[in-house]
Amino acid sequence: DQQVKQNSPSLSVQEGRISILNCDYTNSMFDYFLWYKKYPAEGPTFLISISSIKDKNEDGRFTVFLNKSAKHLSLHIVPSQPGDSAVYFCAARSFYGQNFVFGPGTRLSVLP
Amino acid sequence: SQTIHQWPATLVQPVGSPLSLECTVEGTSNPNLYWYRQAAGRGLQLLFYSVGIGQISSEVPQNLSASRPQDRQFILSSKKLLLSDSGFYLCAWRVGVGPQHFGDGTRLSIL
Repeated sequence: DQQVKQNSPSLSVQEGRISILNCDYTNSMFDYFLWYKKYPAEGPTFLISISSIKDKNEDGRFTVFLNKSAKHLSLHIVPSQPGDSAVYFCAARSFYGQNFVFGPGTRLSVLP
Repeated sequence: SQTIHQWPATLVQPVGSPLSLECTVEGTSNPNLYWYRQAAGRGLQLLFYSVGIGQISSEVPQNLSASRPQDRQFILSSKKLLLSDSGFYLCAWRVGVGPQHFGDGTRLSIL
């Protein structure tokens, strides 16, 4: 049973446009969410996080939105750049949980 | 600043051979340590985590084991590798309630 889902395996976006990556979760106990970016043959790099007391967190070109009632979060990248091409993982953890649960990832391709 | 080292970066092993992957963290004390596997085209699967020396929790039954002989050292082992053990293995650390930080991984191919 997948507790964290990323239903789009891949996404292509034109350079300069907005990229929107989506993530859905099923466990209502999750209260802390993260996005990671991963290049081939490298470990994931932490991008941005959000706790359940917020519905938006922004860091430069990256914004994460959380809709607790829908159990949905999204990562917006504006403007998208070719260097953003990577696999993006969504992860979630509950307050009492020791570990993060990762989604399967979405491969973003930003076309020049 | 904290750094995490994993080695080797790539490894090719025959079926039935043993395995030892090592991970060390520098610049922090008493981290939580994690081993993940990413199979081809799949997400990150948590294999083991450790909250202290000698304390190992296993998330999935499998052919692998983990040990933590020192505070900042985490080892992934197998006595006899299977074809299904192929994948990309990642070590990660975390302190407090923040995000996990990953090493660059080991690409393991079983022949």
